[in-house]
Amino acid sequence: EVQLVESGGGLVQPGRSLKLSCAASGFTFSDYNMAWVRQAPTKGLEWVASISYGGSNTHYGDSVKGRFTISRDNAKSTLYLQMDSLRSEDTATYYCARPSSGGYWYFDFWGPGTMVTVSS
Amino acid sequence: DIQMTQSPASLSASLGETVTIECLASEDIYDILAWYQQKPGKSPQLLIYDASSLHTGVPSRFSGSGSGTQYSLKINSLQPEDFASYYCQNGLSAPLTFGSGTKLEIK
Repeated sequence: EVQLVESGGGLVQPGRSLKLSCAASGFTFSDYNMAWVRQAPTKGLEWVASISYGGSNTHYGDSVKGRFTISRDNAKSTLYLQMDSLRSEDTATYYCARPSSGGYWYFDFWGPGTMVTVSS
Repeated sequence: DIQMTQSPASLSASLGETVTIECLASEDIYDILAWYQQKPGKSPQLLIYDASSLHTGVPSRFSGSGSGTQYSLKINSLQPEDFASYYCQNGLSAPLTFGSGTKLEIK
């Protein structure tokens, strides 16, 4: 059974950093691209970042470019999101998502999410 | 960057009714479009991919159509469990933009 479990969320002050993790199981992690998607309270879904299966190609949304870094450790089947220079508008539930194997970015598995609150 | 404009933002309907949600891409996305359902406090669930292909386990009352820049999600004979939020998404290339969402409420 495919499982994605995020961790690392919490309350953090503006300007500080936080690192999220997503532990994957039930599939061959190194065969799949991965992504982070977030959702601010009462708002819609926002794609944050994506990474290729080998880790060499990354893409970021404009709102986080230059502040967030997506990475992965295939030996540990774990996806990461390093978040620096956090702002109040980064407050959201962060989901780890796996795209299907067809080559396009359709997210067929999602984690339960981890909440990040940026506030002083 | 590809923008996804989804409408309506909210929709009120009765059990058994049929509803349609629209999604307009700012450029041709060659049918590389997904639809998701999200219930309060839950993660999104994939419903439709490739604009019209039903994901495994999704009831046949859900259907997707469209091409080029215009796409739609149709739900026939609304059931109680269908009242949720729905999102379209560009699955072609980064940025992997989502539509702003449609909240389907019971009338």
